[in-house]
Amino acid sequence: TQLLEQSPQFLSIQEGENLTVYCNSSSVFSSLQWYRQEPGEGPVLLVTVVTGGEVKKLKRLTFQFGDARKDSSLHITAAQPGDTGLYLCAARTLAQGGSEKLVFGKGTKLTVNP
Amino acid sequence: DAGVIQSPRHEVTEMGQEVTLRCKPISGHNSLFWYRQTMMRGLELLIYFNNNVPIDDSGMPEDRFSAKMPNASFSTLKIQPSEPRDSAVYFCASSLVGEDYNSPLHFGNGTRLTVT
Repeated sequence: TQLLEQSPQFLSIQEGENLTVYCNSSSVFSSLQWYRQEPGEGPVLLVTVVTGGEVKKLKRLTFQFGDARKDSSLHITAAQPGDTGLYLCAARTLAQGGSEKLVFGKGTKLTVNP
Repeated sequence: DAGVIQSPRHEVTEMGQEVTLRCKPISGHNSLFWYRQTMMRGLELLIYFNNNVPIDDSGMPEDRFSAKMPNASFSTLKIQPSEPRDSAVYFCASSLVGEDYNSPLHFGNGTRLTVT
């Protein structure tokens, strides 16, 4: 079973449209991160949210952490072709030895058509 | 800032052969992670090191997989013998982990492995 469920799996929209993608879990997290991955490259961190109900904005991207810290959403306003990529959410969970490790959802593959 | 460097970028090998993937983390980072990415399973953590010591290897699929970090600037992931189901993109990432576990992971550009 996947710790983090992302939806939708695929999303294809026209330039200028708005969209929201989701990251859900039954577990509570101390924080959650969003990464974007472009073809042929590794994921790059966009934002970290740490407080329940927190909203962070990064230009046209708005990230929200659920009040119960089990879920998060990413909203993009007026999408542009440069927003195309795989959007991954990630959260920390217990690792061996009592430390923590970062696990990822499967991602939402976004295509913005000109 | 050179970033995380992985080699090779692409590897094509025949079933049964040994494969070695290499990673140079960002200088000064104390943690190193090996992930595998496939369409079916997404990005899976295989193993991670802290201060060159393996902390969690629970994601290593089988004994055919092994990873080493002989020093702070180099790590290898070895598959012996390789199988077609090992075909995937393998990512190395590094981070400076302290009391704040929210430090970002910095990923390399991956090694695309194809086992025929």
